[in-house]
Amino acid sequence: AQTVTQSQPEMSVQEAETVTLSCTYDTSESDYYLFWYKQPPSRQMILVIRQEAYKQQNATENRFSVNFQKAAKSFSLKISDSQLGDAAMYFCAYRNSNFGNEKLTFGTGTRLTIIP
Amino acid sequence: NAGVTQTPKFQVLKTGQSMTLQCAQDMNHEYMSWYRQDPGMGLRLIHYSVGAGITDQGEVPNGYNVSRSTTEDFPLRLLSAAPSQTSVYFCASSPGTGGWSNQPQHFGDGTRLSIL
Repeated sequence: AQTVTQSQPEMSVQEAETVTLSCTYDTSESDYYLFWYKQPPSRQMILVIRQEAYKQQNATENRFSVNFQKAAKSFSLKISDSQLGDAAMYFCAYRNSNFGNEKLTFGTGTRLTIIP
Repeated sequence: NAGVTQTPKFQVLKTGQSMTLQCAQDMNHEYMSWYRQDPGMGLRLIHYSVGAGITDQGEVPNGYNVSRSTTEDFPLRLLSAAPSQTSVYFCASSPGTGGWSNQPQHFGDGTRLSIL
C-alpha cells in the first residue's frame, strides 16, 4: 500500500519570504500522480498544484512550485513571496495512474502560519 | 456552477442514531468518494464509486454504507452512530474512467459531525 509522509506538522514564514513544505511517499508503481491541496480555515480543499510522475519537469503555478525527486520519492512544495492568504493546512496526496483508480492517499498535513 | 454539494454542513447526533450525509455533483463525474478527516491523521478514504451501481470499500469502511443509484448522488449512511465517528466528512468527485487522467478530485465543503 502507498503511504505519504509529511514530517513537518507546523511551519511558519515571514510575509514575502519563501517557504518549503516537505513530502515523501512510498510506492512500487512507476507511474502516478502527486498533488498538493490547501485547506484554509473555511475547511475547503483547494488544489494548489499537481505533478505527473512521468514528467521530469517540475510543475509550477504562479508563486507555487514543486521539487519532484522521483528516485528519492520526494515531492516538496515551495511557496514564494508568501502572503497572508497562504495561511492554511497543506496536504500532500498520491494517486495511482491505473485505469479507473482515482483513490487519493493523503499525508497528515502541515499547518503553515504567515507572520506579518 | 455548483460543483460538489454536501448537506448538512453541521450535525450533532446521539450514539445509536442513524443518519445520511448527502453528496451531489453536477459535473457528470463518474468517480465519487467519501473521506473522513480527523486531527493529525489527514483524510482517509471510507467508500468510493466508479459509476452508478458500483461501490467499493476504502481504508476505513466499518460503520458506513453507501449506494450509487444515479451518477449525480452518492449518499453516506451511518447505521448506528458511535463517538468514534465524530469527524469532518468530505465528498469528492472526478471524471473517473478514461485512461490516463490527471484530473484532480473536486471536494465538497465538508460536513462536521459530532456524536455524543
